Amino acid sequence: GEDVEQSLFLSVREGDSSVINCTYTDSSSTYLYWYKQEPGAGLQLLTYIFSNMDMKQDQRLTVLLNKKDKHLSLRIADTQTGDSAIYFCADPRNTDKLIFGTGTRLQVFP
Amino acid sequence: GAGVSQSPSNKVTEKGKDVELRCDPISGHTALYWYRQSLGQGLEFLIYFQGNSAPDKSGLPSDRFSAERTGGSVSTLTIQRTQQEDSAVYLCASSLVAGSDYEQYFGPGTRLTVT
Repeated sequence: GEDVEQSLFLSVREGDSSVINCTYTDSSSTYLYWYKQEPGAGLQLLTYIFSNMDMKQDQRLTVLLNKKDKHLSLRIADTQTGDSAIYFCADPRNTDKLIFGTGTRLQVFP
Repeated sequence: GAGVSQSPSNKVTEKGKDVELRCDPISGHTALYWYRQSLGQGLEFLIYFQGNSAPDKSGLPSDRFSAERTGGSVSTLTIQRTQQEDSAVYLCASSLVAGSDYEQYFGPGTRLTVT
């Protein structure tokens, strides 16, 4: 995840909100992505945001994009134990491949 | 429909041996990607194919790594003379066509352990 940084761990209580942050260096991408990786499972696209948007809401998920600061965040409302996973932001950098962040391991405790 | 499949799911090999990892993309997907996930390096891009050609091989870590795709479908990633630092989970993904506008669907990965 060169040049796409995330904090490594986040621990929250069930029912609280989780906020996972990501900073990136390239601002030319059309889309920015959030992927989820559950234990023993492959990566799954969770949500994305178009680069001309500041915010996108999808049920319990809210994505915020601050292009000036090159900062992307994922907020999960009413976090459940099933949300425990590793979350990756990904920046295509206007190419055909994905440059992934370092990943944030979210642990939800009862 | 079937998702992306990879085989084997686990592979243990001795240092110095060659290994082949296989990826079956979603039917009809023309783009295929290989990524590697390891503790020290995170999730990194290796190579992608559009059809049978590989426009971007920039992520292959050394000339011991090669990949091919025939018939616009199945791809094989080959690692020659494996080293312990090659131990990782190798992930394959496919998308309808190459491009950041198209969702990449990931397989479950092949866990490679070099002893």
